[in-house]
Amino acid sequence: AQSVTQLGSHVSVSEGALVLLRCNYSSSVPPYLFWYVQYPNQGLQLLLKYTTGATLVKGINGFEAEFKKSETSFHLTKPSAHMSDAAEYFCAVSDQHGDNYGQNFVFGPGTRLSVLP
Amino acid sequence: DGGITQSPKYLFRKEGQNVTLSCEQNLNHDAMYWYRQDPGQGLRLIYYSQIVNDFQKGDIAEGYSVSREKKESFPLTVTSAQKNPTAFYLCASTSYRDRVGYTFGSGTRLTVV
Repeated sequence: AQSVTQLGSHVSVSEGALVLLRCNYSSSVPPYLFWYVQYPNQGLQLLLKYTTGATLVKGINGFEAEFKKSETSFHLTKPSAHMSDAAEYFCAVSDQHGDNYGQNFVFGPGTRLSVLP
Repeated sequence: DGGITQSPKYLFRKEGQNVTLSCEQNLNHDAMYWYRQDPGQGLRLIYYSQIVNDFQKGDIAEGYSVSREKKESFPLTVTSAQKNPTAFYLCASTSYRDRVGYTFGSGTRLTVV
């Protein structure tokens, strides 16, 4: 069975500082990996995804993530935090080989990012 | 533009009432999902449907019911049997063929008054 862990339920950074949100997964097969962002009282929006190919994935709003198979990680980074980045971030994994693709989608518990002025 | 529409955005329910949350998608996605989100908690799966006229219970299905009569629509009914329904409800969909991630609606905040 797949699982996702996100280290740190709450991360605070100063404006302009590096953002690093951690995600580790367990999966018996090579997974598809996703990062989503949720602003207050809104749905989740896809930031970026890894399916196959290049392991460094660039997404919207200046975010990127690197798939490291040996570490079973997919950490999210942004070089310089902006006040508008304050939100909840969710990592998710999917078993790409499963017949029931959607059924195997698993979300992490989320990390709340605060950006301090 | 394609997407998922949830309505209403805010909903108030009296004790003992059933209420229905709407979810409509025009993405031609096969599967649709309902999640519940409580403050400080992640997403918990209520029900999902992979094909019209079929649906499966998720982790917290008690007190909820769904239908999938059309590919585009997946309404969720919160029944009076759900003792603590106050939460943020999210609908999502995905395509098996395209193997993309989930697309989410903007959510419905349900409050018991």
